[in-house]
Amino acid sequence: NAGVTQTPKFQVLKTGQSMTLQCAQDMNHEYMSWYRQDPGMGLRLIHYSVGAGITDQGEVPNGYNVSRSTTEDFPLRLLSAAPSQTSVYFCASKRTLAPLNTEAFFGQGTRLTVV
Amino acid sequence: DQQVKQNSPSLSVQEGRISILNCDYTNSMFDYFLWYKKYPAEGPTFLISISSIKDKNEDGRFTVFLNKSAKHLSLHIVPSQPGDSAVYFCAASGVNAGGTSYGKLTFGQGTILTVHP
Repeated sequence: NAGVTQTPKFQVLKTGQSMTLQCAQDMNHEYMSWYRQDPGMGLRLIHYSVGAGITDQGEVPNGYNVSRSTTEDFPLRLLSAAPSQTSVYFCASKRTLAPLNTEAFFGQGTRLTVV
Repeated sequence: DQQVKQNSPSLSVQEGRISILNCDYTNSMFDYFLWYKKYPAEGPTFLISISSIKDKNEDGRFTVFLNKSAKHLSLHIVPSQPGDSAVYFCAASGVNAGGTSYGKLTFGQGTILTVHP
């Protein structure tokens, strides 16, 4: 019953450093996505993937990179961390992209602070 | 441009009373709406959804109402319980200009619900 697993749970980075937030799901879901949650802004979509080898940009993609080499994993890379990327990051997956099955399952989040 | 808006940042309710959380949207292409609940230090969890072909969907103590003409939906919790205290997010998905369904979720800002014993 693992569902969606995110690592790490907490991270502090210095400005300019790079890092990868890991996300894995064991439900054989086609669709995976990354969101960031900021006060007063709700959850905003960063990048998403509709299957292995296919990724696309969401609402706030700048400064982030993704890849989807397997169905299970969808890592999010910060190329050069900036204080504006301080946020809580959530990975989510769902079986398919279609709205008729749009229940998304979320990981527990990664709280990132960039100093 | 916030396409999904929850204009009340917080709501405080007495245990046993009704909680009503509101959500407005601007994109007429949205055709599926969901509510998620989030406890501190946890990810959001799905609560209830409604398709645009319906105006009401009920699941136990939770009912979602959709008014398409007003582009408004609301979540009713009756009776409210202290364990319902959480952040509630409204989300929407829909079709693009070509009529193809897509499932990307657009979220509102969230409403913090506090239910007092």
